[in-house]
Formats: sequence, structure tokens, C-alpha cells
Amino acid sequence: GQNIDQPTEMTATEGAIVQINCTYQTSGFNGLFWYQQHAGEAPTFLSYNVLDGLEEKGRFSSFLSRSKGYSYLLLKELQMKDSASYLCAVRAGTYKYIFGTGTRLKVLA
Amino acid sequence: DAMVIQNPRYQVTQFGKPVTLSCSQTLNHNVMYWYQQKSSQAPKLLFHYYDKDFNNEADTPDNFQSRRPNTSFCFLDIRSPGLGDAAMYLCATSRVRDRSNQPQHFGDGTRLSIL
Repeated sequence: GQNIDQPTEMTATEGAIVQINCTYQTSGFNGLFWYQQHAGEAPTFLSYNVLDGLEEKGRFSSFLSRSKGYSYLLLKELQMKDSASYLCAVRAGTYKYIFGTGTRLKVLA
Repeated sequence: DAMVIQNPRYQVTQFGKPVTLSCSQTLNHNVMYWYQQKSSQAPKLLFHYYDKDFNNEADTPDNFQSRRPNTSFCFLDIRSPGLGDAAMYLCATSRVRDRSNQPQHFGDGTRLSIL
């Protein structure tokens, strides 16, 4: 079967660092994506990993371990506007993207 | 700006009354997808088009159909909406090039309510 697990909800303080974990079990793997989704809005692309290791993009970094079926998204210097859901998605086939249910992040002042 | 546009943002229909949701894109992407997303759940892929080739997911109900008359437009038709079809419907596009991974670009979604 296809399965992606993320924590349902996390809370952090403005200015802090937060790590959102994602574990996956899929029939195929052609890369892992992280998306940000504000309530009632479209998911927007944040980062992509296909090889093991860390990818850094400004305040956001994403890590992948294919052997462990594990990824995390690291958000630094948290801002209030970072309050959103963060979706982990695996590209399991050429056109097949499997999404996790998302982690709802609340940033507190 | 190149983008994915969904109309309408909010749609209300009656139980059993056919409804069509539309999606257009200016990105000239060759793949278009339709997802259903219920509250606090993961987006669930219903089907996708690669150019004119239609691909249905095995568990997508027959009640859901799609049309892609040209590269820019794609429609989702729900023939007889039931209460369980109330959800956010997301359209997404991507360009598939060999093995390079392209992220999906999403529209803002259409929130469908069933009375």
C-alpha cells in the first residue's frame, strides 16, 4: 500500500526553529515534495528532494533519507505568516503524487 | 503572471444535480490533474491528463468524469453529486521532462457544497 505519515499539528514560537517530519512507504519513489497550504488556498511548492541529503532554500531546508523512508522540513526564524499546513508528497510514479494529510503549524507570538 | 485558475471559487449544487468545475492554465504544461481534498485530509488524486491521454485512478467513482478540450482547459464533471462529494477540488499542472522532477502548480481550488 501507499502511506505517508506526518504529525497532525505542531506549535512553535515566533523566531524559533521547527522540524516537521514525514515518513513514507510507497510502491515507487521519484522524489519528495513539500508544499505549504494556507487555509482555503492552494498548496504552494516549497522544496524538492530526490537524492539523500539536505536542500537549503533561505529559511526553509528539507532533508531526505531514502533508505529510511524519511524526510523533514526545517523552518528557521519562524514568522507569524508561516502558520499554515505543510504537506509532504511523494512522486510514486511518473504522474502519481501521493500526499500526506499535512501538518498544521501554529506560530505563536 | 503564468498561473492555474479555477472557477468558481465556491460552488453550491443540489443533491443529484450535475455540476461542472473548470480549470485553465497559462503555463503550457502538458499534464493536468484533479484532486479531491476533504477537511483535514490529504489531497486525493482523481485523474490526470497527459496531453490528451486520460488516466483514471482505480478508486475514482464513475460519477466523476473529466474533459480536456485543449492544452489550456480541463473540466471536472460530477454527474450526480452526493453529500459525500462535498469537498475542495484542486486542479494542478506540471511539465514532465524526462526524469527531471517538476513541482505541481495548483489553482486556488473550488469548494463544492451539496444541498
